[in-house]
Amino acid sequence: DAGITQSPRYKITETGRQVTLMCHQTWSHSYMFWYRQDLGHGLRLIYYSAAADITDKGEVPDGYVVSRSKTENFPLTLESATRSQTSVYFCASSESDTQYFGPGTRLTVL
Amino acid sequence: GESVGLHLPTLSVQEGDNSIINCAYSNSASDYFIWYKQESGKGPQFIIDIRSNMDKRQGQRVTVLLNKTVKHLSLQIAATQPGDSAVYFCAEIYYGQNFVFGPGTRLSVLP
Repeated sequence: DAGITQSPRYKITETGRQVTLMCHQTWSHSYMFWYRQDLGHGLRLIYYSAAADITDKGEVPDGYVVSRSKTENFPLTLESATRSQTSVYFCASSESDTQYFGPGTRLTVL
Repeated sequence: GESVGLHLPTLSVQEGDNSIINCAYSNSASDYFIWYKQESGKGPQFIIDIRSNMDKRQGQRVTVLLNKTVKHLSLQIAATQPGDSAVYFCAEIYYGQNFVFGPGTRLSVLP
């Protein structure tokens, strides 16, 4: 039972490049979430999805795009990466009240 | 691994002692609360939860206390072990899927 996985675990890219972070869950949870975690800010919600083909913005959506064509996948794309998007990104899924988190992706934008 | 918060409040306890980690929440409408543990380089891990109609809930070596009057949540860890060293943060949930996470407290267990 893999649960929720993220790939890659580490990524270094350059300013202006497009980057896609992958998230996959095996539980068939309806809800999926993307957060970023930065020093001094805790977890901040970027986007979330209530079901396939249903997505909505969170607290800090600018510069990010999501899609959810299948229940189990929720990729996050940085269309043109900026240095301020250097962070640790966590994906989470939920069926009811509790969110279960993936291991995270550490993204560095040079 | 990833550093989740170099400037977080830190609680240092001796191995074997009890730990108490506190959290203040903000929304009176929050009806569900979760404590998460985050080890270095890993994602947050569910520890224990409590609903707003309860004031105490016990798990294995952990107890969560909820004081709705002052909007305060605490996590008590009995007989703290080296493996308990991590960042702990609370989450308040309202209207279903609205999560608000606290900034976290770093627990350091001293030998």
